[in-house]
Amino acid sequence: EIVLTQSPDTLSLSPGERATLSCRASQRLSSSSYLAWYQQRPGQAPRLLIYAASSRASGIPDRFSGSGSGTDFTLTISRLEPEDFAVYYCQQYVNSPWTFGQGTRVEIK
Amino acid sequence: QERLEESGGGVVQPGRSLRLSCAASGFTFSTHAMNWVRQAPGKGLEWLAVISYDGTKTLYADSVKGRFTISRDNSRNTLYLQMHSLRVDDTAVYYCARVWWQYQLLEAFDYWGQGSLVTVSS
Repeated sequence: EIVLTQSPDTLSLSPGERATLSCRASQRLSSSSYLAWYQQRPGQAPRLLIYAASSRASGIPDRFSGSGSGTDFTLTISRLEPEDFAVYYCQQYVNSPWTFGQGTRVEIK
Repeated sequence: QERLEESGGGVVQPGRSLRLSCAASGFTFSTHAMNWVRQAPGKGLEWLAVISYDGTKTLYADSVKGRFTISRDNSRNTLYLQMHSLRVDDTAVYYCARVWWQYQLLEAFDYWGQGSLVTVSS
């Protein structure tokens, strides 16, 4: 099973600041095409932000960007808006079982 | 627009069974693989199972293999999760989620239901 470890667990930032979230896989993903990022706001279902490591899903603002390959992946939010304070999960879907990271909470400082 | 709606959750005793349903609308259900994902209270996301668009291929997480069965009825636009031998640690919100790219299994999940709470307690 591929274990995804996200860091940090919590990120305390102010609106307008840049957020950088990390996701590290326990083994190299055979293709970066199989790494996604999701946002989950309190009481809501997860929302797809990024698929294939760097492609934005439909309707996702361009302040969200993804990068990385191999074992190290990054989600960047260029300028935090109030609605961006939430929990973010990475996910791999290349090796069964698909797995999620434990999540990074982005909170208002 | 695309919509997924789970139903069938509730309180059940340990060792009993329960079946969740996920009704799909607003898209061609029969061309998309579907997943079940759960989230225990205050915890992260756990993928449980995937089924191909035509129902011929399924994969499961080890935690539910042999106890849970994913299935679909394309004529009814409905996804199912049959759960047996439920345990206290199966308590969670259960989400159904669509694979975004038609006919593919190995892709991200673009639409999610709002979830159905299953509580396993004596």
